[in-house]
Amino acid sequence: SYDLTQPPSVSVSPGQTASITCSGDKLGDKFPSWSQQKPGQSPVVVIYQNNKRPSGIPERFSGSISGNTVTLTISGTQAGDEADYYCQAWDSSNACWVFGGGTKLTVL
Amino acid sequence: EVQLVESGGGLVKPGGSLRLSCAASGFTFRSYTMNWVRQAPGKGLEWISSISSSDTYIYYADSVEGRFTISRDNAKNSLSLQMNSLRAEDTAVYYCVREVEVAGILWFDPWGQGTLVTVSS
Repeated sequence: SYDLTQPPSVSVSPGQTASITCSGDKLGDKFPSWSQQKPGQSPVVVIYQNNKRPSGIPERFSGSISGNTVTLTISGTQAGDEADYYCQAWDSSNACWVFGGGTKLTVL
Repeated sequence: EVQLVESGGGLVKPGGSLRLSCAASGFTFRSYTMNWVRQAPGKGLEWISSISSSDTYIYYADSVEGRFTISRDNAKNSLSLQMNSLRAEDTAVYYCVREVEVAGILWFDPWGQGTLVTVSS
């Protein structure tokens, strides 16, 4: 089965830059997306196709890729960005969607 | 406004059955692949099933294959999940999710508000 690996937690100070990584074999070829889930809420997509933002998502959110790792970067992190972040990708070999384990972002 | 509203969750005994529904509005439902994703309490997201726009392609996660059945009624803008032989580990919030596709690139947007399924005696 295909696996996506994320760090369980990331901490950042307000106003600083947070980086959350997601790794998987040939992940860049799968054009992963990122979703944000705030406590008690449903997930919301923040990045798709590696680095595109849906309308309504602040420019502070960006995505990048290097090798088999994609990174979600949040610039000028705010308290309201505290959430769980999940990467996901379609695994065509097994015809299934795969989620990373999620990363809890804490803004200290 | 694109909206997905799930219903049908509740408390069910192990071995029992439950049928979830998702009412879609604000978009051309028949044109989109739809998915169910669940989240056990305090855990991460788990994709469980997908159905293409005209039922041609249906996929399941190994964890539910043979027990759950996904279906859709494009005339009623409705998605369903029939869950049989339920187990304690099926306890989760179940989300209905639209799959967006542009030039072969896929992502989920939006997600419904979720419906809680509790399997317990």
